[in-house]
Amino acid sequence: GDSVTQTEGLVTVTEGLPVMLNCTYQTAYSDVAFFWYVQYLNEAPKLLLRSSTDNKRTEHQGFHATLHKSSSSFHLQKSSVQLSDSALYYCALRYLSNTNKVVFGTGTRLQVLP
Amino acid sequence: EAAVTQSPRSKVAVTGGKVTLSCHQTNNHDYMYWYRQDTGHGLRLIHYSYVADSTEKGDIPDGYKASRPSQENFSLILELASLSQTAVYFCASSDWTPSYEQYFGPGTRLTVL
Repeated sequence: GDSVTQTEGLVTVTEGLPVMLNCTYQTAYSDVAFFWYVQYLNEAPKLLLRSSTDNKRTEHQGFHATLHKSSSSFHLQKSSVQLSDSALYYCALRYLSNTNKVVFGTGTRLQVLP
Repeated sequence: EAAVTQSPRSKVAVTGGKVTLSCHQTNNHDYMYWYRQDTGHGLRLIHYSYVADSTEKGDIPDGYKASRPSQENFSLILELASLSQTAVYFCASSDWTPSYEQYFGPGTRLTVL
């Protein structure tokens, strides 16, 4: 079946340094979109950014991601992390059909150290 | 801003008991979802619905039922609660829009003893 893989359970980075959170996917469908959601401690997940067309970069709140269909990836990056970026990050795949089913990865916890 | 509420926010249930988690959205969204969140498993889809009076099985539906009596309300029912169903449950809604964003409720922490 279709899946979203986030290989890192925990990523620890020092404030001011860059970070990349990995996301790869497997799907037989072409009519899909990809998302990154962020969940701060004791809060609900909320949308961080959504994929655009193949090989086009999308940005929000200093984070950016590029969908690469050739490598089935949608990695999240930031050039300089802040303490406030510490959170749980989910990569997700959504079918753009009548069901609009969504598949989430297992999540990556980003810990930013001073 | 989209609004999704859940009740109760926290619940302790006994093994074998019946539990009903409720979700209400005021966004006029067609799509609603129930997820459970467990450390190491992330968010897993239990049931979802894209129209009132109809529900679909997600990836882990066993032990759960869902009910969508109206566009605004979506319930998750545990007929016979088990220890393994201890988790945080999130409801979400979304619409058929260009952003396809999901709006999540605040979550319900369920503990089964």
